[in-house]
Amino acid sequence: DAKTTQPPSMDCAEGRAANLPCNHSTISGNEYVYWYRQIHSQGPQYIIHGLKNNETNEMASLIITEDRKSSTLILPHATLRDTAVYYCGGGSNYKLTFGKGTLLTVNP
Amino acid sequence: DTGVSQDPRHKITKRGQNVTFRCDPISEHNRLYWYRQTLGQGPEFLTYFQNEAQLEKSRLLSDRFSAERPKGSFSTLEIQRTEQGDSAMYLCASSLSDIYGYTFGSGTRLTVV
Repeated sequence: DAKTTQPPSMDCAEGRAANLPCNHSTISGNEYVYWYRQIHSQGPQYIIHGLKNNETNEMASLIITEDRKSSTLILPHATLRDTAVYYCGGGSNYKLTFGKGTLLTVNP
Repeated sequence: DTGVSQDPRHKITKRGQNVTFRCDPISEHNRLYWYRQTLGQGPEFLTYFQNEAQLEKSRLLSDRFSAERPKGSFSTLEIQRTEQGDSAMYLCASSLSDIYGYTFGSGTRLTVV
C-alpha cells in the first residue's frame, strides 16, 4: 500500500492558487494517485486522480513528478468553500490508502 | 441520482451490543466499499463488494464484523459485541469501476459507551 506524507495544515488567501503537496514514495507502478477532500461531518469528496500524466478537471489540476514519488494538487482560485481536509492517497483496482491529510484554510 | 445514502447518521450503543448499518449505493454502481475513519485519520479500507460478491476484506475486519450485499444492491455492516475501540465513522462508497473515483456517503458515526 502506498504510504503518503502531507503537511498537516496550510493557509491560502481567497482568490489565490492553493498548492498542496504530497509525498508517496512507496506507490507502486499500477497505483493511481488520488485526491479527495472532506468537509467537516461529511464523507470525502473525489477531486481528481492520475497515473503518470498531469491531469486537469473542473475542480483542480494534478501534477505528478516523473518518478511518481510526489504530486501537487492545485486549486487555481481558492474560495472560502474550499476550506477542508485534503487527502492524497494511492489506489488500484478496489482499494484506496489515505494519509492523514492537510487541513487547508482559505482566508478572506 | 441521490448519491450514496447511509443510515443511521449517528448511533450510540452500549459496549457488548450488536449494531447494524445500512448503505444504499448509487443505483448503477456495481462496486461498493466500506471504510472506517477515526478522529484525525484518513479513511481505512474495510471491505469491497463487486455486485453481491465480497471480494476483499481487510485485516481490520475482525470476526465480530460482517458485511453483506444481497442481490448486489444495498449493503449492511454488522458489528457484534461492540467494543469502545469500534467507535468511529463508518463510511460507505460506491463506484462504477476502479478508474473512476468513489462517491462516498456521509457516514454513520458510532459511539460505544
